Amino acid sequence: GAVVSQHPSRVICKSGTSVKIECRSLDFQATTMFWYRQFPKQSLMLMATSNEGSKATYEQGVEKDKFLINHASLTLSTLTVTSAHPEDSSFYICSARDPGRTPKNIQYFGAGTRLSVL
Amino acid sequence: SQQGEEDPQALSIQEGENATMNCSYKTSINNLQWYRQNSGRGLVHLILIRSNEREKHSGRLRVTLDTSKKSSSLLITASRAADTASYFCATSRDDKIIFGKGTRLHILP
Repeated sequence: GAVVSQHPSRVICKSGTSVKIECRSLDFQATTMFWYRQFPKQSLMLMATSNEGSKATYEQGVEKDKFLINHASLTLSTLTVTSAHPEDSSFYICSARDPGRTPKNIQYFGAGTRLSVL
Repeated sequence: SQQGEEDPQALSIQEGENATMNCSYKTSINNLQWYRQNSGRGLVHLILIRSNEREKHSGRLRVTLDTSKKSSSLLITASRAADTASYFCATSRDDKIIFGKGTRLHILP
């Protein structure tokens, strides 16, 4: 149980295009999902908290107009990198908590999306 | 700022040896978690230790927590090649999980 699916696993795009990444909880409902960014050999940096039915909460320094988050249902959150540029190239990972499990604050992660902007 | 700081940053040991990774944190916590990440993949939860616990075991994993020193350690006994991965400690703050910088563990055959 507690499976999180993230798609696509890898995307290569041209500079200026927008890229959408999906994060789905497959066997539970997630009112909250999290989006992280990870640079090579570094830790995960929390970008934003995605809340079902309301606006996402962005961490300091993260441009909300650049990284659009939509959490339209209890099983799906999307991250859209708008007008992507080479500096946006990174590994993006989503996670979710399963409110039906204890302890409640264990996070279940997607497999990540490797974004390369040419 | 990062809540958890692991050391060492990188560790290479022979298969069969024990691997110990340490984590220090700055503020008070309710619990501390350890996660594992294989290269280019998502994270997998390994173990959670509550602030009122001092030691916890799960298979070949042993985690300790010293809240007075604000530190935790993860011990992997009888290491295997498949244990090669990055290991992160994580603490909860304001309903979010904050990850440390991680230890890259490499098990040598």
